[in-house]
Amino acid sequence: EAGVAQSPRYKIIEKRQSVAFWCNPISGHATLYWYQQILGQGPKLLIQFQNNGVVDDSQLPKDRFSAERLKGVDSTLKIQPAKLEDSAVYLCASSSIKVGTEAFFGQGTRLTVV
Amino acid sequence: AQKVTQAQTEISVVEKEDVTLDCVYETRDTTYYLFWYKQPPSGELVFLIRRNSFDEQNEISGRYSWNFQKSTSSFNFTITASQVVDSAVYFCALSDVLVGRDDKIIFGKGTRLHILP
Repeated sequence: EAGVAQSPRYKIIEKRQSVAFWCNPISGHATLYWYQQILGQGPKLLIQFQNNGVVDDSQLPKDRFSAERLKGVDSTLKIQPAKLEDSAVYLCASSSIKVGTEAFFGQGTRLTVV
Repeated sequence: AQKVTQAQTEISVVEKEDVTLDCVYETRDTTYYLFWYKQPPSGELVFLIRRNSFDEQNEISGRYSWNFQKSTSSFNFTITASQVVDSAVYFCALSDVLVGRDDKIIFGKGTRLHILP
């Protein structure tokens, strides 16, 4: 089966610009996650969707980050305006709705803010 | 609150040596799941294993083995006869489940493993 698809793979922007990332989860997976991974650290959960509803966005900096999952499939994560500290890899993952199942990750988008 | 601690930031061993990666977790829930993921230089997180809190049996998969001990809240990962291809960052993760609350997966900071030829 196809894995989690993310685009773009790399993005370089100047601070205060905006950027958007796209994720297509594994077919049939109801749960979708966006993680931020800063160099040398573990992934940090930004937002979790179940179908098209948000179940956890407690660590999402809502003044500049937004995410949506229209129709419960694809998702986009947006940053506006970007700051230097947003430089990181943004990982999308998906899992089935069954409790405690593992998440499958995409290759990530490496964002550099200059 | 959930927490995963991987105290070893970086480990280097010579090829063919055995190596153990430590993971200690904290949770107030009685039902939870533990995971190990591998992140090779390509960057993609690769799922290795899942263990639920009611199953304390150790597991072996080829050169990989996992030791789950609830008494010490640890879920350690051992690679036997390490190979250069095992070089990667390894993450331990935890997902706990409360009735009425959706589970989320949180990660430790990872252990970078170098296997030297």
